[in-house]
Amino acid sequence: GEDVEQSLFLSVREGDSSVINCTYTDSSSTYLYWYKQEPGAGLQLLTYIFSNMDMKQDQRLTVLLNKKDKHLSLRIADTQTGDSAIYFCAGLSGGYNKLIFGAGTRLAVHP
Amino acid sequence: DAGVTQSPTHLIKTRGQHVTLRCSPISGHKSVSWYQQVLGQGPQFIFQYYEKEERGRGNFPDRFSARQFPNYSSELNVNALLLGDSALYLCASANRDYTGELFFGEGSRLTVL
Repeated sequence: GEDVEQSLFLSVREGDSSVINCTYTDSSSTYLYWYKQEPGAGLQLLTYIFSNMDMKQDQRLTVLLNKKDKHLSLRIADTQTGDSAIYFCAGLSGGYNKLIFGAGTRLAVHP
Repeated sequence: DAGVTQSPTHLIKTRGQHVTLRCSPISGHKSVSWYQQVLGQGPQFIFQYYEKEERGRGNFPDRFSARQFPNYSSELNVNALLLGDSALYLCASANRDYTGELFFGEGSRLTVL
C-alpha cells in the first residue's frame, strides 16, 4: 500500500544543519515533495524532486533521493529560528494529483 | 499574483449540519485537490478535479462531495457533519494533472460541536 514515514521530532542549534528523513513505500511515486507548515497556517511548497534525480539543491535546501531504499531526506543548511515548523514529506501517487503525506517532523531550532 | 484562496478561514458548525468550503486556484491553474488535516496528522487526500472532471477520490464517505466550476474554482461539501469532521481543509492548485508543482492555500478550519 501507500505509506510515508517520518521521525516526529528534531531539535537543532541555530546555525547548524538540519537533516529530516523520510521513507516511502510506493515505488511508483514520480514526484516527491517537502512542505513546511507553520502554526495555524497552510502548507508551503519548499521543493520537490523528480524520481529520476538523486539530488536537488535550492539555496539552503538539499534534497537527496535513494530510490533503491525508498529514502528521501531534506537538509537545511545554517538553520535559523524562522525554520522552526513542521516539515511534511509527500509522494505523488495514483497517476493524478494525489499526495500521500507523512505525519510530519517538528523541527525546533534553539539558540 | 494571488495564490490559492480559500473561504471561509474559520467556521463553527453543529453535528448534523451541512458545510460548503470554497477554493479559488492560482490564475491559469486547472487542477484543484482537497485534503483534510486532522490536528497532529498529515493531510489526507479527499478529491482531485482537473478540467471540471473528477480525477480521483480518497477514502472518504459519500457525505463528502465536490465540484469544479467553469472558472476552475471549486467547492467541497460535507453533509451530516460529525464531530470527527473537525479539521483543517486544504485546497491545492496545479496547472496540470500529475505535476510537481502543487500549491496549497491557507485552509478552512472547521470545528464541529
